[in-house]
Amino acid sequence: QQQVKQSPQSLIVQKGGISIINCAYENTAFDYFPWYQQFPGKGPALLIAIRPDVSEKKEGRFTISFNKSAKQFSLHIMDSQPGDSATYFCAASMRFGNEKLTFGTGTRLTIIP
Amino acid sequence: GAVVSQHPSWVICKSGTSVKIECRSLDFQATTMFWYRQFPKQSLMLMATSNEGSKATYEQGVEKDKFLINHASLTLSTLTVTSAHPEDSSFYICSARYRQGLGPPETQYFGPGTRLLVL
Repeated sequence: QQQVKQSPQSLIVQKGGISIINCAYENTAFDYFPWYQQFPGKGPALLIAIRPDVSEKKEGRFTISFNKSAKQFSLHIMDSQPGDSATYFCAASMRFGNEKLTFGTGTRLTIIP
Repeated sequence: GAVVSQHPSWVICKSGTSVKIECRSLDFQATTMFWYRQFPKQSLMLMATSNEGSKATYEQGVEKDKFLINHASLTLSTLTVTSAHPEDSSFYICSARYRQGLGPPETQYFGPGTRLLVL
């Protein structure tokens, strides 16, 4: 029940295209859903996060879509650029109480020219 | 803001020696810090949760005597890998959360990681 399932495992998108990564969770107590970006040999960096009281959050080229009834959320990267090539992790936690982040398995994104 | 540093960034040691890794929140106070381990091409695995002034809480399967965690101040937590062996070689990453009331309570800010190689 603590798992967060992430797909796809890897993704290749052409420059300028839209990259879409999906995550699904089971635990309905989760109420905080961040996305992290990680470059090789570096620590993860917070990209964008959403709480379940909204269905969408946009920051620049990055958008989170959240479907509470389906227990799914996704990351959309618009106008994907070669610099976006990295591994992306979704995560979930309970803001109050159990503070631990449960991570997805990661998606390796490659943007090709 | 919300910068977390780790030291060292990489370390090579001989089997049987102990290695200490520092995690610092540079511009904020962190009541809680977390230690993760990451194997190549895999996700982050939480090892322990470290609260300032109290004993760390370890995840199931993580040896407390093997991975000693100390959180002596609101800006510093240390992880000591005792009697390291080649199977302890990994990428160790810490994260920190703001002290309650001073920032977003749920957000974890990650350090750059420490690569440990045990020969």
